[in-house]
Amino acid sequence: DARVTQTPRHKVTEMGQEVTMRCQPILGHNTVFWYRQTMMQGLELLAYFRNRAPLDDSGMPKDRFSAEMPDATLATLKIQPSEPRDSAVYFCASGYRDIQYFGAGTRLSVL
Amino acid sequence: EDKVVQSPLSLVVHEGDTVTLNCSYEVTNFRSLLWYKQEKKAPTFLFMLTSSGIEKKSGRLSSILDKKELFSILNITATQTGDSAVYLCAEGSQGNLIFGKGTKLSVKP
Repeated sequence: DARVTQTPRHKVTEMGQEVTMRCQPILGHNTVFWYRQTMMQGLELLAYFRNRAPLDDSGMPKDRFSAEMPDATLATLKIQPSEPRDSAVYFCASGYRDIQYFGAGTRLSVL
Repeated sequence: EDKVVQSPLSLVVHEGDTVTLNCSYEVTNFRSLLWYKQEKKAPTFLFMLTSSGIEKKSGRLSSILDKKELFSILNITATQTGDSAVYLCAEGSQGNLIFGKGTKLSVKP
């Protein structure tokens, strides 16, 4: 049962702390996406990779967010320093031929 | 700027009703139109449409695309309370997906 795995599922942290979210894409998928979802903004694309190369990170606040894909089985999204407005659900998705499959998400609360 | 617009934003029906959800898009190089269902967790894939007029069907759900008029509809017949969710439409012209804001469907017993 292939699926996208995200860790942690929940994270509560204090403002100013570093947050790292991890994603294991489905084996064989060549694209990986990071989304943020809030009630107000809906689903926003933050960044995505194809064959591990970053293609677009225009949706990310560059001063505090960074996304990397150190190998084909791991993608990371880091926030440093975190702020209360970063509180949201962060989804990772991996894709093949336009279809994206989503992980269960990381619910982040920044106090 | 490419965009995807869904309507209505929310909908309340009773079990057994049939519903139609709408999705219109404006994109420069259309490639595919996708529908997802999101309950309390992650969006789950329903359909991908690339050709006009060909209906995709899965149980009580069906969807069709009109590339001339730039829209798609998602039909749900004989709705059940388990169909309550946000239904997302997305367009895949640029290698990533451009999502609409979704339609929140509530099915009352």
